[in-house]
Amino acid sequence: GQNIDQPTEMTATEGAIVQINCTYQTSGFNGLFWYQQHAGEAPTFLSYNVLDGLEEKGRFSSFLSRSKGYSYLLLKELQMKDSASYLCAVQPSGGSYIPTFGRGTSLIVHP
Amino acid sequence: ETGVTQTPRHLVMGMTNKKSLKCEQHLGHNAMYWYKQSAKKPLELMFVYNFKEQTENNSVPSRFSPECPNSSHLFLHLHTLQPEDSALYLCASSQRKGNEKLFFGSGTQLSVL
Repeated sequence: GQNIDQPTEMTATEGAIVQINCTYQTSGFNGLFWYQQHAGEAPTFLSYNVLDGLEEKGRFSSFLSRSKGYSYLLLKELQMKDSASYLCAVQPSGGSYIPTFGRGTSLIVHP
Repeated sequence: ETGVTQTPRHLVMGMTNKKSLKCEQHLGHNAMYWYKQSAKKPLELMFVYNFKEQTENNSVPSRFSPECPNSSHLFLHLHTLQPEDSALYLCASSQRKGNEKLFFGSGTQLSVL
């Protein structure tokens, strides 16, 4: 089975940097996804990490440590439109490879 | 626009009604999924279809009945639902089952009275 933990809610100021953490425990690990979901909208893909390290994509970066069962999503130069829920999803190794989602972190960006 | 369209966006039904949710993907993907999203809970996988064949049924009650007539269309037939089934039902697709990023529809917000 898998156990995924991420904070329920975070707040940050426009223009700042925020780090959203995700820790997981799993019997077999293949990769980790991050998705963004605005209220009333579809979740959209942000990143996929398989190897340890930081992957940067514009204002958003994602980090993975396989040995620590830990990932984070880093959002720089926050904008109001970044207010959304951020979903961490862990992909198992073997079997169906279908990811299991965490509860999501609701990020509120205020002026 | 994610390339995955769900209808209806909102649905209110009584416990004795029968209704269907529809999902269509225009991405040429081979795998399609139904997820349930309830407040304060993780996205919960319900069913998976790969090349029109059901490959996963995550212990979903029989009052939910999926149908996949082709790789582009997915239905979720609902009958005699319970109030606790009220949730956002999301459809998703991927090029291959499991190993690819998911493209989600905007969901159907279902209320069971």
